[in-house]
Amino acid sequence: LAKTTQPISMDSYEGQEVNITCSHNNIATNDYITWYQQFPSQGPRFIIQGYKTKVTNEVASLFIPADRKSSTLSLPRVSLSDTAVYYCLVGDGDSWGKLQFGAGTQVVVTP
Amino acid sequence: EPEVTQTPSHQVTQMGQEVILRCVPISNHLYFYWYRQILGQKVEFLVSFYNNEISEKSEIFDDQFSVERPDGSNFTLKIRSTKLEDSAMYFCASRGQFNQPQHFGDGTRLSIL
Repeated sequence: LAKTTQPISMDSYEGQEVNITCSHNNIATNDYITWYQQFPSQGPRFIIQGYKTKVTNEVASLFIPADRKSSTLSLPRVSLSDTAVYYCLVGDGDSWGKLQFGAGTQVVVTP
Repeated sequence: EPEVTQTPSHQVTQMGQEVILRCVPISNHLYFYWYRQILGQKVEFLVSFYNNEISEKSEIFDDQFSVERPDGSNFTLKIRSTKLEDSAMYFCASRGQFNQPQHFGDGTRLSIL
């Protein structure tokens, strides 16, 4: 499983866009990039998954450059309720699916 | 939206007792997982389960742990003789096919006294 590196923490104000970049230099050909959000005392919640280029859903966008060695999760117009830990995970879609979580990025949104 | 449900939300047990944590994965999902998160630490993989057998397990998942899918809907994690260090949040997850993301339940907080 490819190792990922992401910032430990990020601060933002309400209404701003938050971009979290994750490095995964050793990503393999079959690996997908998946982002989760976790609130205290809750399970990780799936946000978005992608393989290349750009993926967008109702809550976030995921930008993946051509070399796939990094990815950026973009949260548009954050609110206080977006304060959480965000995890970037890279995994082999052909494996049994074990996820290896890192420490994630603690995002704190203030008024 | 379908979700993974876990019961109980909080379990308090005496050290040395057996405990069973229960999960109902998303219907039609094929892969099932247990993870745990000790307070203030990372989420750790315990075991994956597919086609009614363990497909992968971590070093944490020793002989004291077992998993079972007793019927078509439940997925359980049993700890035979609990230790103080088993105190953690235990998360169940499931996924459909390869390349699909895992979906997690909100966990069972296990407190060993």
